Amino acid sequence: GESVGLHLPTLSVQEGDNSIINCAYSNSASDYFIWYKQESGKGPQFIIDIRSNMDKRQGQRVTVLLNKTVKHLSLQIAATQPGDSAVYFCAEGASNDYKLSFGAGTTVTVRA
Amino acid sequence: DTAVSQTPKYLVTQMGNDKSIKCEQNLGHDTMYWYKQDSKKFLKIMFSYNNKELIINETVPNRFSPKSPDKAHLNLHINSLELGDSAVYFCASSQDSPLLAVSSYNEQFFGPGTRLTVL
Repeated sequence: GESVGLHLPTLSVQEGDNSIINCAYSNSASDYFIWYKQESGKGPQFIIDIRSNMDKRQGQRVTVLLNKTVKHLSLQIAATQPGDSAVYFCAEGASNDYKLSFGAGTTVTVRA
Repeated sequence: DTAVSQTPKYLVTQMGNDKSIKCEQNLGHDTMYWYKQDSKKFLKIMFSYNNKELIINETVPNRFSPKSPDKAHLNLHINSLELGDSAVYFCASSQDSPLLAVSSYNEQFFGPGTRLTVL
C-alpha cells in the first residue's frame, strides 16, 4: 500500500461552511508535507506546505495541521467557496530523499 | 505567459508506437519532474531532473526515457506503447528540490497535463 492516504475519498460541503480534509501517512522519515488542489482538466496547484518542525501553518483561508504523533495531516478551508471544488492531494517527502509521494486524493464538492 | 507548458495536450495512438511529450518552463527553475496520473487520479512521480541531471528515477519501465536538453526543457519519450500507459502525464518544475529549499515555500508548478490514450 501507499504511505500516504486520505480518510475520505469525497467531501460535500455547503458554501460558506468550513472544510476539513484529512490525510494519514506512515513514513516516519517524512519531514515535509504539501497540499495540492487539482481542478478538472488542470494540473495540481500548490496550496500550502509544512515542515515537521511545525504543527500548524496558515495561508489565505487555509490552515494545515500536522500531528506527528499519530502521523496525521489535515487541510482546513475556511468559508468554502464554489471555486474550492476540486480534488485535493496531500504529499509527503523526506529531506534525505528527493521524492514526493502523493495520496489518493479527496474530491471536494461545494453545494450552493 | 504560461509558466509550464506541455505539448501535445491530447495524444491518441496505437499500441506499439513510439511517442514523445514535450515540456518547457519559463520560470528559470532548476528542477523538473514528470508525473503519471491514472484513471483514479492517483499521482505518481516518474522522473526528476536538477540542472539537466537525473535525480529521481522511479521504477518506471525503461520504455520511458526522459531527455533534458537544457534546464528549461524536460521531454518524455515512450517506446512500444502499451494499453497500461494510458494516463495523464504532468510535467512540473520547482526552483530547487522542495526537500532542500531553504524557504519552505518552494512550489512545484505543474503543467496542464497530456492525456495519452493508447488503443
